[in-house]
Amino acid sequence: ETGVTQSPTHLIKTRGQQVTLRCSSQSGHNTVSWYQQALGQGPQFIFQYYREEENGRGNFPPRFSGLQFPNYSSELNVNALELDDSALYLCASSPGLPTGELFFGEGSRLTVL
Amino acid sequence: QQQVKQSPQSLIVQKGGISIINCAYENTAFDYFPWYQQFPGKGPALLIAIRPDVSEKKEGRFTISFNKSAKQFSLHIMDSQPGDSATYFCAASILNYGQNFVFGPGTRLSVLP
Repeated sequence: ETGVTQSPTHLIKTRGQQVTLRCSSQSGHNTVSWYQQALGQGPQFIFQYYREEENGRGNFPPRFSGLQFPNYSSELNVNALELDDSALYLCASSPGLPTGELFFGEGSRLTVL
Repeated sequence: QQQVKQSPQSLIVQKGGISIINCAYENTAFDYFPWYQQFPGKGPALLIAIRPDVSEKKEGRFTISFNKSAKQFSLHIMDSQPGDSATYFCAASILNYGQNFVFGPGTRLSVLP
């Protein structure tokens, strides 16, 4: 059974640029959530996708957007990058709703210069 | 109201000792309280979770104690081992609404050999 995989693992961008992060959910999971984890902090909920529809959103501006594909993989897009967007972005999948256990990937470390 | 407070920020315990991490919440609608363990360079992984209809749950060396009236819950690690050295996050969610897990800021546990 393949776990949650994320790409890229590390990337560096400059302020104002755009970034796309990718996530492949665990086999059999149709729900994907994205979290932002700043250094030394707990993960913060960005949004969740269930069967290709957004199913909840945290307190993040519209420049954070995402989508989920028919195979349940997902993308997180961030436009107009700011320095404070530097963080570890975690993708988590789960086998459905209601969401109990979250299965996290290892994250994508984004540095904005 | 959406915050989960966690203490201590860091904890050093001798091998064989008991590690105790405490969390508190405000939102009485929360009905699912998991603890996640995160090793450096890895995503968080579910350790143990509890629903508010029980006051204690034990799995091996890990125990959650839950005090609904005080809106507090804690993780106890018995016979702590150097392999338990990691960052621990408490979290809370409303299972059937919004799927938003609110995480505490984390406790960095070091178990000395």
